[in-house]
Amino acid sequence: QSVLTQPPSMSAAPGQKVTISCSGGSSNIENNYVSWYQQFSGTAPRLLIYENNKRPSGIPDRFSGSKSGTSATLGITGLQTGDEADFYCGAWDNSLSTWVFGGGTKLTVL
Amino acid sequence: QVKLQESGPGLVKPSQTLSLTCSVSGGSISSGNYYWSWIRQSAGKGLEWIGRIYSSGRSAYNPSLKSRVILSLDTSKNQFSLKLSSVTAADTAVYYCASLVSGGNFPYWGQGTLVTVSP
Repeated sequence: QSVLTQPPSMSAAPGQKVTISCSGGSSNIENNYVSWYQQFSGTAPRLLIYENNKRPSGIPDRFSGSKSGTSATLGITGLQTGDEADFYCGAWDNSLSTWVFGGGTKLTVL
Repeated sequence: QVKLQESGPGLVKPSQTLSLTCSVSGGSISSGNYYWSWIRQSAGKGLEWIGRIYSSGRSAYNPSLKSRVILSLDTSKNQFSLKLSSVTAADTAVYYCASLVSGGNFPYWGQGTLVTVSP
């Protein structure tokens, strides 16, 4: 069981918007930066969002991040079939003294 | 842009030591710009952070693995390495090396290498 909780799967139609939640606690999300990663099947994760809401260069502005209290959210607008992937949130955990990740959310665009 | 590439045996016997190396290009591991980290992912499961090492050689490990893990640097080859001892089938996973920014994210990842623990 992962320290950060994400919905195992989500689906939406092309062109629509989806929000993926990541729930944690005071030892991780509430007091540390959250980052988000996208992982296509058979490839390494890639950084989508860092420091809660910042996008690395090359990441479209269709992807956004936010944080409130012990939860974080990844938003994706204008969904494309090419967005189908697994998405993971991550943060440092002060109590466990380790990086923790969510269990991942499999996004289907149909 | 920093690029990372894992290398090492794909098959390790139970109770032996898993050894992997990450070769870094596009930047020096001595620069101090990043921590250098290992993360693994078991089949169908999520991501597990193993540990990180800085250019000074100072390292930190996941407490759940700390007793079995050693990270090291080879600045002459611009590489860093992972050793995980006393492996069991539960250590079978895809192992990734990644850069870690002090602000708290992993911007660059290797492609990953599958290590299977089996007799």
